[in-house]
Amino acid sequence: AQSVSQHNHHVILSEAASLELGCNYSYGGTVNLFWYVQYPGQHLQLLLKYFSGDPLVKGIKGFEAEFIKSKFSFNLRKPSVQWSDTAEYFCAVTSSGGYQKVTFGIGTKLQVIP
Amino acid sequence: GAGVSQSPSNKVTEKGKDVELRCDPISGHTALYWYRQRLGQGLEFLIYFQGNSAPDKSGLPSDRFSAERTGESVSTLTIQRTQQEDSAVYLCASRTGLATNEKLFFGSGTQLSVL
Repeated sequence: AQSVSQHNHHVILSEAASLELGCNYSYGGTVNLFWYVQYPGQHLQLLLKYFSGDPLVKGIKGFEAEFIKSKFSFNLRKPSVQWSDTAEYFCAVTSSGGYQKVTFGIGTKLQVIP
Repeated sequence: GAGVSQSPSNKVTEKGKDVELRCDPISGHTALYWYRQRLGQGLEFLIYFQGNSAPDKSGLPSDRFSAERTGESVSTLTIQRTQQEDSAVYLCASRTGLATNEKLFFGSGTQLSVL
């Protein structure tokens, strides 16, 4: 069975600080990896995804994530956060085979202090 | 419609009552998911529908929970004899179902409060 671990449940940063949110997954096969974000009062929406090719993927609003297969990781990064990045971030995994169950991590609440 | 629509947006019920939550996915989306998000916890998978295939019910927490979907349209999640621990936001999501690397489109959720 696939699973996702997010190690940081609540992160508080000052504006302009760098961000790295950890995500590790457990699955024996080929995977697709996602980061979703939920801004206050808004729907969950896709931030970025990896499914093949360059393991460093870039998403909206300056976010990027690196897929490291040997470490089963897909950490999210941003060099300089803004107050508007305050949100909850979810890592998710699905197998790249026919079975399409999407498993989410517990989420990380990011609070950026102006 | 333009997005995934869920109703009601809020539901307050008494313990022991049955509730029905509705999800209207984006037109043409064959894959539909239900998740539960309890306060302070992550997204908990409940059930997944893909076209006319048998649904994956592996995430349903008890036999009080059931869900149906007619074809590729509306889905309803029913919780019988609600308990206080059922209080949560119930999220529905859909995608076209053509490829596993597609993103999910989420609804705004139903906030269920069981008194």
